[in-house]
Amino acid sequence: EAQVTQNPRYLITVTGKKLTVTCSQNMNHEYMSWYRQDPGLGLRQIYYSMNVEVTDKGDVPEGYKVSRKEKRNFPLILESPSPNQTSLYFCASRRNQPNTEAFFGQGTRLTVV
Amino acid sequence: KQEVTQIPAALSVPEGENLVLNCSFTDSAIYNLQWFRQDPGKGLTSLLLIQSSQREQTSGRLNASLDKSSGRSTLYIAASQPGDSATYLCAVSLNSGYSTLTFGKGTMLLVSP
Repeated sequence: EAQVTQNPRYLITVTGKKLTVTCSQNMNHEYMSWYRQDPGLGLRQIYYSMNVEVTDKGDVPEGYKVSRKEKRNFPLILESPSPNQTSLYFCASRRNQPNTEAFFGQGTRLTVV
Repeated sequence: KQEVTQIPAALSVPEGENLVLNCSFTDSAIYNLQWFRQDPGKGLTSLLLIQSSQREQTSGRLNASLDKSSGRSTLYIAASQPGDSATYLCAVSLNSGYSTLTFGKGTMLLVSP
């Protein structure tokens, strides 16, 4: 089954404690991205990757890091989480060709206290 | 910068009604437009993708139209059912970076029995 898998689904952490949210896709997609979703603000892109070892900032990259060492994985790293990073996070993937649909993970609800 | 607006923000209808959700975008140089469905606590599911050269796409009871020149798209849902209750999001890909999606904030739909 084609899918994007995020882990964990729920996470409560404390300010400053480094964490990683993993994302894996099994569709051999070149393009992967991370979004955060906040009430009243909608979905905003954090980082994206066009292919292995190629990453770029989205609209709200501050406080986040990513890496793309393998095609299937695109982890999101919060080196020093802060309460304003409390949000619902989504990973997405798609083929890096025009007019192909995007597939989304189930989301990770992160709370930073 | 591309901005995507969805009206209304919320909609409540009785079962069986036909309804229309609206999406508008400020930059008409889009590559395609996608409609997604988001259920509470879950990820996004792609419903329809309309290429910039197309006027509409249909899938079952769903019909999406695109008027690129005026920056508008509509999602028509025929004979609504309680199972259609969800948040509907539209997103556009720009010509300049066709893999990046810019989302509207969504329309929350409630279909009551």
